[in-house]
Amino acid sequence: DAKTTQPPSMDCAEGRAANLPCNHSTISGNEYVYWYRQIHSQGPQYIIHGLKNNETNEMASLIITEDRKSSTLILPHATLRDTAVYYCLLQGGNEKLTFGTGTRLTIIP
Amino acid sequence: DAGVIQSPRHEVTEMGQEVTLRCKPISGHDYLFWYRQTMMRGLELLIYFNNNVPIDDSGMPEDRFSAKMPNASFSTLKIQPSEPRDSAVYFCASSLTAGGGTEAFFGQGTRLTVV
Repeated sequence: DAKTTQPPSMDCAEGRAANLPCNHSTISGNEYVYWYRQIHSQGPQYIIHGLKNNETNEMASLIITEDRKSSTLILPHATLRDTAVYYCLLQGGNEKLTFGTGTRLTIIP
Repeated sequence: DAGVIQSPRHEVTEMGQEVTLRCKPISGHDYLFWYRQTMMRGLELLIYFNNNVPIDDSGMPEDRFSAKMPNASFSTLKIQPSEPRDSAVYFCASSLTAGGGTEAFFGQGTRLTVV
């Protein structure tokens, strides 16, 4: 049973910021929010994760609401190579990493 | 490190034959995960190991599927006998720890076709 909810698809213009939302209203206190993406035919690739605070790395930024019930992944300057399926997952005391259906992001030239 | 290495990349076999998929995790990683991906069911966790010991195999579809991890650097997923509905991409992943705070690294997958 997926514990996160994501829109099935989104478009974003090349060069613009892509903002991908995720709802996780039943998140537990010890669960981290993870984002992975899967480019066609490849294995999933880790992007970023966070617990409470906002996080930023060379790939993206993760904004987590104060109540932790939702988050947003931000790709600051989307390129065509960012076209992929993006998965938002929770992982905490349970060691399993369970994927939902994700958001199919298409970057438009 | 070369990352998680899976072999073969592609496998075509006839129904009823035994199929063995192989995975070499990243050195030093304590956790190893096997996933299956199909269009209909998405990414499904089949089984995972901690320090070479199977922890949860509740995702293994049926007795035809078995997985082993004889040492820290090698794991196999075996299907015997194979059926057309087993056609999928099988991914192996490893992580340093689990339960939050670390990332999992995935291999490139094995695309299995059973005819």
